[in-house]
Amino acid sequence: NAGVTQTPKFRILKIGQSMTLQCTQDMNHNYMYWYRQDPGMGLKLIYYSVGAGITDKGEVPNGYNVSRSTTEDFPLRLELAAPSQTSVYFCASSAGQDGNTIYFGEGSWLTVV
Amino acid sequence: AQSVAQPEDQVNVAEGNPLTVKCTYSVSGNPYLFWYVQYPNRGLQFLLKYITGDNLVKGSYGFEAEFNKSQTSFHLKKPSALVSDSALYFCAVSPGNTGGFKTIFGAGTRLFVKA
Repeated sequence: NAGVTQTPKFRILKIGQSMTLQCTQDMNHNYMYWYRQDPGMGLKLIYYSVGAGITDKGEVPNGYNVSRSTTEDFPLRLELAAPSQTSVYFCASSAGQDGNTIYFGEGSWLTVV
Repeated sequence: AQSVAQPEDQVNVAEGNPLTVKCTYSVSGNPYLFWYVQYPNRGLQFLLKYITGDNLVKGSYGFEAEFNKSQTSFHLKKPSALVSDSALYFCAVSPGNTGGFKTIFGAGTRLFVKA
């Protein structure tokens, strides 16, 4: 089992550019999440999905979009990148039936310059 | 509104000494409580969780945590710290079996174990 896999690991974007962070999981989890981690701020939920075709906003959704066409994949789209989006992004998943344990990917370091 | 507090930004202990990383929470209903660990440049890894039952929960790498309902605390402990335990530790809480999307995370506590 690879678990949760996200790409790219590192990316530098120029202000106004767009990009997609890819995420896939092989645990057949219904729930998937995107978090951002800023220093000293813990994790903030950007978007989540409770199943294919269903997505919803988290705490900090502005400037991002997601889609969930399959159970396995949950890409995060950044439109018109801004310096405030410089952060570490984590994709994660959970089954929803095992006490809500969340499984995380290795993270994507994004810098907007 | 639910919340999680980790009152210490950093905890320093000597190798071989016991360690405690503190966490308090506020949530309605019966909480699910978690500890995750993050090593440098890695994702968060699940350590342990409390759902119900025995207030002392044992997890990975010799860690344990004690649920205290009256003090709304869930402190992480280990009897004898290792240098390799140095990492960032996150406490998390969710209000019951809600599928994880209502889980909130504390700001994290950096543990530094000195040889």
